[in-house]
Amino acid sequence: SQTIHQWPATLVQPVGSPLSLECTVEGTSNPNLYWYRQAAGRGLQLLFYSVGIGQISSEVPQNLSASRPQDRQFILSSKKLLLSDSGFYLCALKGTGHNEQFFGPGTRLTVL
Amino acid sequence: KQEVTQIPAALSVPEGENLVLNCSFTDSAIYNLQWFRQDPGKGLTSLLLIQSSQREQTSGRLNASLDKSSGRSTLYIAASQPGDSATYLCAVRPQTGGFKTIFGAGTRLFVKA
Repeated sequence: SQTIHQWPATLVQPVGSPLSLECTVEGTSNPNLYWYRQAAGRGLQLLFYSVGIGQISSEVPQNLSASRPQDRQFILSSKKLLLSDSGFYLCALKGTGHNEQFFGPGTRLTVL
Repeated sequence: KQEVTQIPAALSVPEGENLVLNCSFTDSAIYNLQWFRQDPGKGLTSLLLIQSSQREQTSGRLNASLDKSSGRSTLYIAASQPGDSATYLCAVRPQTGGFKTIFGAGTRLFVKA
């Protein structure tokens, strides 16, 4: 069965600092991968999704970017964090041939 | 544009009660609908997935129904327990729009012992 790892689990960063959140998956090949953000008291906002290596679709204009250097690795980055980037970041996958979406444990980001 | 609404936003019930959580969506052209559970500070756990051709799915004390024509789904929880306390999210995958999934804001459930 597939497993999703997210690193780090929690992060506190100052405004203007860079960001790199990592998501790695196991137990599946060629998955569709997703980055969501969940702000306090709000629903999930889709940020990026990827259907393959090097293929990234952005859903919301922002100062974040995503990359998929390997089939099972999805990275969320920023050059300069804003206060509004604080939130709970979730990585998800949808396997080939499957319709079900699975989520990782999330990364709690606080920007001060 | 597909929108997903969950009612109520929050619910508090005594242990043992049967309850229903509601999810509505504006566009009936969907591939599937999925119910998730989220504990505080944790990721989402998939509970049930209903394909567009299906009317319901069951897992243990959970039963999810889908009425595509009316744009509604319900999650029925039988004999609720304090361990069921969590936020329940509904999500639909539209037929158009690529690989996106649209989420509701969730229903926060508290089951009192």
